[in-house]
Amino acid sequence: ETGVTQSPTHLIKTRGQQVTLRCSSQSGHNTVSWYQQALGQGPQFIFQYYREEENGRGNFPPRFSGLQFPNYSSELNVNALELDDSALYLCASSLRGEQYFGPGTRLTVT
Amino acid sequence: AQRVTQPEKLLSVFKGAPVELKCNYSYSGSPELFWYVQYSRQRLQLLLRHISRESIKGFTADLNKGETSFHLKKPFAQEEDSAMYYCALSEGQAGTALIFGKGTTLSVSS
Repeated sequence: ETGVTQSPTHLIKTRGQQVTLRCSSQSGHNTVSWYQQALGQGPQFIFQYYREEENGRGNFPPRFSGLQFPNYSSELNVNALELDDSALYLCASSLRGEQYFGPGTRLTVT
Repeated sequence: AQRVTQPEKLLSVFKGAPVELKCNYSYSGSPELFWYVQYSRQRLQLLLRHISRESIKGFTADLNKGETSFHLKKPFAQEEDSAMYYCALSEGQAGTALIFGKGTTLSVSS
């Protein structure tokens, strides 16, 4: 069984740019959640998608947006990047209440 | 507001000593509680959830609703238990957002 994968592994962007991060869910999982993990902090919930619809959102501004595709893969888009957006972004797919995490994408904004 | 507190940033013990990682939560309803673990250079993974009442790798955790705590315990620590441990809660519905604590680093030395 293939686990959750994320791409890219890491990237560097400039303030004001836009970025797209990608996630492939674990086989059969129809729910995907995105988290932001700043250095020294626990993961913080951004939003969740269930069957291509947003199913909950954390305290993040609208410039954080997402998509889920029919094959349950997902994208996280961040517009107008700010320095504070530098973090590890985690994707998690879930089935029956247990979330399985990907390895994360390390985003650095300069 | 929902909150998870892990009061210890670092816990250092000797091999064979008992371990207790503290977790307190603030939530008005009936949450589900989880412990996640992240070993060096590995992804975040589920260690245990309170509804399963299982013992995983010798770890147990009991939900105490009166004290709003979900402490993680192991009677005899092993060096391979060294990792970052996160306590998390969800709102009691399967697959909803996880709220994480800031994590506790457990260091087990011989």
